[in-house]
Amino acid sequence: SQQGEEDPQALSIQEGENATMNCSYKTSINNLQWYRQNSGRGLVHLILIRSNEREKHSGRLRVTLDTSKKSSSLLITASRAADTASYFCATDLLMDNAGNMLTFGGGTRLMVKP
Amino acid sequence: ETGVTQSPTHLIKTRGQQVTLRCSSQSGHNTVSWYQQALGQGPQFIFQYYREEENGRGNFPPRFSGLQFPNYSSELNVNALELDDSALYLCASSTIISSYNEQFFGPGTRLTVL
Repeated sequence: SQQGEEDPQALSIQEGENATMNCSYKTSINNLQWYRQNSGRGLVHLILIRSNEREKHSGRLRVTLDTSKKSSSLLITASRAADTASYFCATDLLMDNAGNMLTFGGGTRLMVKP
Repeated sequence: ETGVTQSPTHLIKTRGQQVTLRCSSQSGHNTVSWYQQALGQGPQFIFQYYREEENGRGNFPPRFSGLQFPNYSSELNVNALELDDSALYLCASSTIISSYNEQFFGPGTRLTVL
């Protein structure tokens, strides 16, 4: 089963607009990560936010985390056609033996039109 | 690119057969995790290997098994293939340190079961 759920499932915007994707999760987390995936390829790590952080920036990306609502959002500003991809949130759960397991949501498919 | 490599890139098998997928971890990493990603869904955690031993397992049957070698590379073996095993299989390498274990993903192996 998947821990997180992204909203919306699909998003289509014009180049230059901002894109906002939301993620909700069910259990307590160690940290939350956002990944990007171009069609059928490997995952690229975008940003990690720890459970004691509320907001984090990286270039055109802004991530927020609300642990009381068990939700996170990813904002991509001034989008480009090259941002077209699927975006996944993943919660990071520590296992008993110090390993960690990522639990992914279903993803948001973003299309940025030129 | 992350430095994590996977082979083969594509594979076609028939139901009932067995398959072995391979992963070479990024230099300096001692932990490998495997994920299954069905079409249109987020990745699901299969298991993690650390120091050549299984370090945690998701909700997958025993016919999914793995190995980790002294050089930290890893194999995923699936026996008695079923049609639902058709998916993109991703491996990710990391180093277990404290509570922050960023995972670096390879490009994946696309398995089709006919």
